Amino acid sequence: NAGVTQTPKFRILKIGQSMTLQCTQDMNHNYMYWYRQDPGMGLKLIYYSVGAGITDKGEVPNGYNVSRSTTEDFPLRLELAAPSQTSVYFCASSPLQRGGNEQFFGPGTRLTVL
Amino acid sequence: DQQVKQNSPSLSVQEGRISILNCDYTNSMFDYFLWYKKYPAEGPTFLISISSIKDKNEDGRFTVFLNKSAKHLSLHIVPSQPGDSAVYFCAASGLEGGSEKLVFGKGMKLTVNP
Repeated sequence: NAGVTQTPKFRILKIGQSMTLQCTQDMNHNYMYWYRQDPGMGLKLIYYSVGAGITDKGEVPNGYNVSRSTTEDFPLRLELAAPSQTSVYFCASSPLQRGGNEQFFGPGTRLTVL
Repeated sequence: DQQVKQNSPSLSVQEGRISILNCDYTNSMFDYFLWYKKYPAEGPTFLISISSIKDKNEDGRFTVFLNKSAKHLSLHIVPSQPGDSAVYFCAASGLEGGSEKLVFGKGMKLTVNP
C-alpha cells in the first residue's frame, strides 16, 4: 500500500494563477480531508468528504474548491491564488469517522504564491 | 479562539529521561484526544489516542494522561530516544454538524539529545 499520496511536492504560483493539488489514497477509506499548515501553526481543516460525491466545508474553505468523484481521489482546487494561500497542504484519509480513529496523512504539498 | 492549546513551543531533554508534553483544551464536547508526531518534510503520523471516558492510555514508551476536570492532557515518553525528536501535535475530536472534526494545537518541537 502506498497510503496517501500527494502531488506535486512543491509548487510556486503567481498571484491569480490556478492549480489543482492531487490526493490519492489506496486504503479504501471513505473519509478524506484537506488541511493547511501555516508556519508555527497547527493544521486547519479546509474541506472534507465522507464519501464519493459528498463534500463539506471545514474551518478555512474560502478560496478553495474540492470534488470527490471516486473513493480514491480528493483533489483540491485553487482558482485565483493569493499570497495568503502560501502554506503546506496535507491530505488525509480515515476508515471510520468516530471513535478517535487515526487519520492517515500524505507527505504534503508546499505551495508558495508570489 | 484556540480550542486546543500547546503553550510551550519547544522542549529539550536528555536521552533516557522522561519527556512530558502538555495540551489544554476549552471545548467540553471533545470526546477523543489524539497525539500526532511529525518529522520535517513528512506528514503527521498518529501516535496514540485516548477516549474522554478514560484517564490513561499506554502504548509502549508512550502514555497519555487525561484530566477532564482541568481540561488538560499530557503525553509522557519514557525513556526518550533521539529518534523521538520531532514536532508533536495534540488534537481533539468531537461531532460538529453531524461529522467528526479534528482540531489541532500549534505543535511542540521535542529535541532529545544523545
